[in-house]
Amino acid sequence: GAVVSQHPSWVICKSGTSVKIECRSLDFQATTMFWYRQFPKQSLMLMATSNEGSKATYEQGVEKDKFLINHASLTLSTLTVTSAHPEDSSFYICSARDNYGGTYEQYFGPGTRLTVT
Amino acid sequence: KNQVEQSPQSLIILEGKNCTLQCNYTVSPFSNLRWYKQDTGRGPVSLTIMTFSENTKSNGRYTATLDADTKQSSLHITASQLSDSASYICVVSQARGKLQFGAGTQVVVTP
Repeated sequence: GAVVSQHPSWVICKSGTSVKIECRSLDFQATTMFWYRQFPKQSLMLMATSNEGSKATYEQGVEKDKFLINHASLTLSTLTVTSAHPEDSSFYICSARDNYGGTYEQYFGPGTRLTVT
Repeated sequence: KNQVEQSPQSLIILEGKNCTLQCNYTVSPFSNLRWYKQDTGRGPVSLTIMTFSENTKSNGRYTATLDADTKQSSLHITASQLSDSASYICVVSQARGKLQFGAGTQVVVTP
């Protein structure tokens, strides 16, 4: 199956700093990538949808100036958490959608654990 | 209100036993229904995908069923193993639309 990677797998940062998380589709081109946040014992919550070469679409309640998304190529999307606070500590998961061939299958990355101290 | 409801919220089963997880949904229009396994601290991994016309699909010891008329699905785990301990998430997809996630069922398999 298709492989999606995330980097880093975990990160600890101090309050007020910014953190960048990368999401890559390794063996397919992903026109669309999604960013999710997952709190303990809860399911995934969609934060934003990004299409290559255009601005991301954010879900209601997600601050676009705080969670900066860049999808500059068909294989890479980045999520930058700006001025991180402890409440931003969470598990961030990306997924990449294979829009070619009509499958529209989404493949999930392994996730990034962010801890803000 | 969540459009995808899963039950039970959690369950504990003995190694070697079978179990069945339930998923009810109200998502419409419906494209497909997926079951994912998510190990702690990892991303979800797809187990099965079923379209409207499919009633059942198997992946090893995992068998999913779908009744599109009643909008119900189940995931049956046969001869459970310790490695089956995970969260199992039911996800319903609308045509080219975003995924609707259930809250998941936490399965713990004990020796």
